[in-house]
Amino acid sequence: QVHLQESGPGLVKPSGTLSLTCTVSGASITRHYWSWFRQTPGKGLEYIGSTFYATTATYNPSLQRRVSISLDSSKNQFSLSLTSVTAADTAVYFCAKDSAPGPYYNFYMDVWGKGTMVLVSS
Amino acid sequence: EILMTQSPATLSVSPGDRATLSCRASQSISTNLAWYQQKPGQAPRLLIYGASKRATDIPVRFSGSGSGTDFTLTISSLQSEDFAVYYCQQYDNWPPVTFGGGTKVEIK
Repeated sequence: QVHLQESGPGLVKPSGTLSLTCTVSGASITRHYWSWFRQTPGKGLEYIGSTFYATTATYNPSLQRRVSISLDSSKNQFSLSLTSVTAADTAVYFCAKDSAPGPYYNFYMDVWGKGTMVLVSS
Repeated sequence: EILMTQSPATLSVSPGDRATLSCRASQSISTNLAWYQQKPGQAPRLLIYGASKRATDIPVRFSGSGSGTDFTLTISSLQSEDFAVYYCQQYDNWPPVTFGGGTKVEIK
């Protein structure tokens, strides 16, 4: 059974960098597309970006200038970095697995992490 | 970016009754639509993909229909565990994939 677990600081200062890691068990990180999403009461569920092993990541155009997603096959993890954060980046962040076997993608997700709350505040 | 609109925002239903949830896309997305269920403090759970295909282990009381811009999720006989928020998501045109604002199904 595939399991995803987000980890990282729950508090980030304004103008700082939000960094989260998703640890994958039960599946190889090289075999699927992996994505990050976030959720707020105001904007709902928002797509951040996706990555696949040895390819260029795809990002939401609204976040593209500030976001980076990387993959570490040696640790079976993928990570999110979001720079120049503001209060608007306060959200629950989810990592998720694409439902298709790589290198294909469906862009609907069949396994999600439980989510981690990140507060941007001084 | 494709805008997804769900209605109603809240649906009050008695256990055992049928629930019908709607999702509309701002442009045609063929059948590239998924439905998710989310309970408080939990991650979304994939219910339906391809507008009408049930995901693995999803009970048959959940069904999806529609194509183009108008879609429906039907729960034929609501069980206690079905009271939750439901989201539609388009994956026809990306990035980004986009979600509707959700429909909360509550006990009447």
